[in-house]
This record gives sequence, C-alpha cells and structure tokens, in this order.
Amino acid sequence: EVQLVESGGGLVQPGGSLRLSCAASGFTFSSYWMSWVRQAPGKGLEWVANIKQDGSEKYYVDSVKGRFTISRDNAKNSLYLQMNSLRAEDTAVYYCAREGMIQGVISYAFDIWGQGTMVTVSS
Amino acid sequence: QSALTQPASVSGSPGQSITISCTGTSSDVGSYNLVSWYQQHPGKAPKLMIYEGSKRPSGVSNRFSGSKSGNTASLTISGLQAEDEADYYCCSYAGSSTFVFGTGTKVTVL
Repeated sequence: EVQLVESGGGLVQPGGSLRLSCAASGFTFSSYWMSWVRQAPGKGLEWVANIKQDGSEKYYVDSVKGRFTISRDNAKNSLYLQMNSLRAEDTAVYYCAREGMIQGVISYAFDIWGQGTMVTVSS
Repeated sequence: QSALTQPASVSGSPGQSITISCTGTSSDVGSYNLVSWYQQHPGKAPKLMIYEGSKRPSGVSNRFSGSKSGNTASLTISGLQAEDEADYYCCSYAGSSTFVFGTGTKVTVL
C-alpha cells in the first residue's frame, strides 16, 4: 500500500525548534519530488516547501525562508522538515505529500498525502 | 505568492451541478495548464480530484470535471451527492518549482 506517515509534531514555545519526519512506503521514494503542505486551524492549505528526487533542489514559500529546511534520506525512505525560530503563525497541521508522475512525467499535483502531524507554537 | 481566490461557499441540491471558481494571476493559473483540485472532508487529508486542469486520477468519479479560461480555473461537480459535501481547494503551479493553493470553498449539499 502506498503510504506516507508523518511524525514529530507537538507543542513548542515561540522561537523554538522542531523536526518533522515523514516515512514513505509502497513506492520508489527516490523517484519523486516531495512537498510539505500545512493547514492552520480552520484555515486553508498552504504549500510550504519541496525537494527534488536527489535533494539537489529545494524551494520554500517566502514566509518560511531562512527558518525551515527540507531534506530527505532516500536510503531510509524519509522526508524531513527542520523548523527553527518558530512563530505562533506556524501553528498548523503539517502534511507531507508526493508530487505525482504520470508515465514518468511530473504531473505538478499532489497525489499521495499523509495523515498530518499537528504543530502548536505557544507559550 | 498570494493565495488563489475561491468563493467561500457554494451549495446545491442533490442531482444538481455546481461550479467552483479559482482565480489567480498571469504568473500562476494564467501561465500554466497545471491546476489541480483537492477534496477534503473534516479531519481528513486532502484527496486529489483533478490534475493538469482537467484530468481525473484513476478512481475519481467522472462527475468531477475541470476547465480553465485565462486566469480562472473551474471545478464542476455534476449530479451532486451527499458525499460531495466537503471543502475543495485549487492549486496552481507558480513557476520555479513552487505552488500556490486557493482559499478554499465549502460545498454544502442542501
């Protein structure tokens, strides 16, 4: 079964750090771009960051540049999000998502999602 | 990187058709035929319903269809059913390997 399982969320104080993990199974993880998408309580989805198959390219939404770092370990089929200098506005459910491919071509859509992990930034 | 604009809510009776709009700019929706649509039920992860503007993944009902005109993409749900009641989000490729989501639309089946 194709699956993504996030972990690492929790309560952290403003200015603190947290590292999220996403374990992939059921597909060739190293063949796909991967993204993190977040959703603040009662709000919409926001794309946060993504990373190329080999980790050589990484992109971020402006609001997290310089604070968040996306990485991956293809040997462990895992995606990570290191979050530093956390702010109250970073409070959200964080989803990892696979950027799908159709017949070997990137589809620029998120075809597999994890169940999400909640991050709360509060004193 | 401003969010795409969607109506906050759309409603319809069972069997009717509804359309959700998604308005972006010439830098995202208008530049690429790479809009995707997601359905999200309360407390659940989003589910891909449409990709590349109008294509349906395997297993998605053909009651869901997508289109685009200029800077605006649209999702149409025909033959509305109770199980279609959910939040819907559009998403566009925005260049340089980045993405932007819409503000979301709550669909209510009357």
